[in-house]
Amino acid sequence: RKEVEQDPGPFNVPEGATVAFNCTYSNSASQSFFWYRQDCRKEPKLLMSVYSSGNEDGRFTAQLNRASQYISLLIRDSKLSDSATYLCVDNAGNMLTFGGGTRLMVKP
Amino acid sequence: NAGVMQNPRHLVRRRGQEARLRCSPMKGHSHVYWYRQLPEEGLKFMVYLQKENIIDESGMPKERFSAEFPKEGPSILRIQQVVRGDSAAYFCASSPEGWSGYTFGSGTRLTVV
Repeated sequence: RKEVEQDPGPFNVPEGATVAFNCTYSNSASQSFFWYRQDCRKEPKLLMSVYSSGNEDGRFTAQLNRASQYISLLIRDSKLSDSATYLCVDNAGNMLTFGGGTRLMVKP
Repeated sequence: NAGVMQNPRHLVRRRGQEARLRCSPMKGHSHVYWYRQLPEEGLKFMVYLQKENIIDESGMPKERFSAEFPKEGPSILRIQQVVRGDSAAYFCASSPEGWSGYTFGSGTRLTVV
């Protein structure tokens, strides 16, 4: 079983749509998580941290459900520039454990 | 403040040759991490280093791979006797003490022919 699992997608949505990604993790002791964004053939870039209380940054909202061991990312009012792969990340110990990523394609 | 610098950006090696990948962390960052991303796959942790110390190498293949972060100079990931399966993007990341939201370099894409 993978430690961090994501639906690979792709999610094809029109501009302006709201889209949500979920991610599940297997390590019940994990305390902190991130969402990273990776554009094609580029390095991952930190999008936001994920807190138990949830956090919002502009059009992006991240939630953590410890009981069910899943993390979500909600993107409102999608832009063409949001097209990328979104990586769910478990921050455990000395390393980050990455999910395989969910690909988002926003269409005009 | 320059970001994490990796070079070369692209590296082509024939089977059996050695590959050396370099990473200079962001100024003020003392922690360096190496990750590998195989085609169409997620990033996999390889090794975590601080200056002159390997802290965690649990993700490193047992043979042919080594890493160092000397007192002076960049961190080096060395792959001896490369094989086709080593073809991947190798990303380096750095962080300051006590923060785990790394900054990644732009990666080195290794192609073994």
